[in-house]
Amino acid sequence: EAGVAQSPRYKIIEKRQSVAFWCNPISGHATLYWYQQILGQGPKLLIQFQNNGVVDDSQLPKDRFSAERLKGVDSTLKIQPAKLEDSAVYLCASSLREAYGYTFGSGTRLTVV
Amino acid sequence: GIQVEQSPPDLILQEGANSTLRCNFSDSVNNLQWFHQNPWGQLINLFYIPSGTKQNGRLSATTVATERYSLLYISSSQTTDSGVYFCAAVNFGNEKLTFGTGTRLTIIP
Repeated sequence: EAGVAQSPRYKIIEKRQSVAFWCNPISGHATLYWYQQILGQGPKLLIQFQNNGVVDDSQLPKDRFSAERLKGVDSTLKIQPAKLEDSAVYLCASSLREAYGYTFGSGTRLTVV
Repeated sequence: GIQVEQSPPDLILQEGANSTLRCNFSDSVNNLQWFHQNPWGQLINLFYIPSGTKQNGRLSATTVATERYSLLYISSSQTTDSGVYFCAAVNFGNEKLTFGTGTRLTIIP
């Protein structure tokens, strides 16, 4: 089966600019997750979707981050405006159901200068 | 939420050596996974192992759910095994995959 697709792979922006990341999960996977991984740390969950509904966004900085999953398939994560501390790898993952095995995409490495 | 701790934080080994990585978790789990993050940042799923033992080539993993720990064994290490190994768990009633801080493995030729 095809894996989780993410784009772009790399992005460099100046602080206060906006940026968007895209994720296409494995076909049929109802649950989609966005994680943020800061250098030297483990990934941290930002938001979890079940189909096109938000299950958990308690760790999402909602003043600057937003995410949507239209039609329960693709998802986009947006940051506006970006701060230096947003520099990280943004990982998308999907699973067939909650608590089943997760599959991660290759990630988007964001550098804010 | 669940706490996930990994040890050791860093491990440097000669090629051909064997290693054991440990993951302790603070609560009952219904999902426990081991991942390898390669130098390019890709998280590769190694094992989905909420309990029991599994083997895949030179790698094997054991989770003792009643004692709240999991072990990842790597035998006959190769330089391509280098990277960071993460353990991640989901506990009952809180369906979030929580990661440990990782073990950085460096295999020297």
